[in-house]
Amino acid sequence: KNQVEQSPQSLIILEGKNCTLQCNYTVSPFSNLRWYKQDTGRGPVSLTIMTFSENTKSNGRYTATLDADTKQSSLHITASQLSDSASYICVVINNNDMRFGAGTRLTVKP
Amino acid sequence: EAGVAQSPRYKIIEKRQSVAFWCNPISGHATLYWYQQILGQGPKLLIQFQNNGVVDDSQLPKDRFSAERLKGVDSTLKIQPAKLEDSAVYLCATARLGFYNEQFFGPGTRLTVL
Repeated sequence: KNQVEQSPQSLIILEGKNCTLQCNYTVSPFSNLRWYKQDTGRGPVSLTIMTFSENTKSNGRYTATLDADTKQSSLHITASQLSDSASYICVVINNNDMRFGAGTRLTVKP
Repeated sequence: EAGVAQSPRYKIIEKRQSVAFWCNPISGHATLYWYQQILGQGPKLLIQFQNNGVVDDSQLPKDRFSAERLKGVDSTLKIQPAKLEDSAVYLCATARLGFYNEQFFGPGTRLTVL
C-alpha cells in the first residue's frame, strides 16, 4: 500500500475556478512535504515545500496546507488558468527517503 | 543555470532489445537519482548516486537494469533486455550534496517497449 495517497485521481475545472487537491500520508516520521507540478512531457517542478512544523505555504496562486496531526496536506489553486493543466504530485520526505504520491491530473478548460 | 539534461527524449524499441539513457546533472550537484514513472503513477526511485558511488539501488531490477556514473558527473541507465512492462518515463534528478529534498528533475525519457 502506497504511503502517500492523493485524491482525486483526476479533476476537470473551468478556467477561473478554484480547486483543492488532497494528499493523505502514513509516512512517519517525516521532515518535509513538497508539492510538485508536472506538465505533460516534462519533469516535476517544485511548487512548495513545508517542514513538519509549518501549516501553510504559498507560491503565487498555489497555497499548500499541512496538518501533521491528521497527516493530511492540500494544495489549493486559486483563479485557475489553462496553464495549470498538469499533474500535481505530493511527496513526503523522511531524511533521504522520498515517497511520491501517484498524482492528481488537473485539466483546466476554457 | 542550466537544468538537468536527458537524452533521448523518446525511444521506441522491441522487447528483448537493449536501450540506454543519458543524464547530465546541474553543475555542482553531487547527488543523482534515476526514477521510473509508469503512466498514472508517481516516480519510483531506481538508484541514487553520490558522486560516483551508489547510495541506494535496492529498487533497481539488477537482472536487467544497470546504471553508472563513472566520473561523478554524467550518468547512464541501461536496460538489457527490455520487457513490455519497462514502458515508462525515466526521470533523472540531481541535488546538491546534503540537499536531498531539493531535487531538480530533467524532462525525462519516454520509453515504449513493443
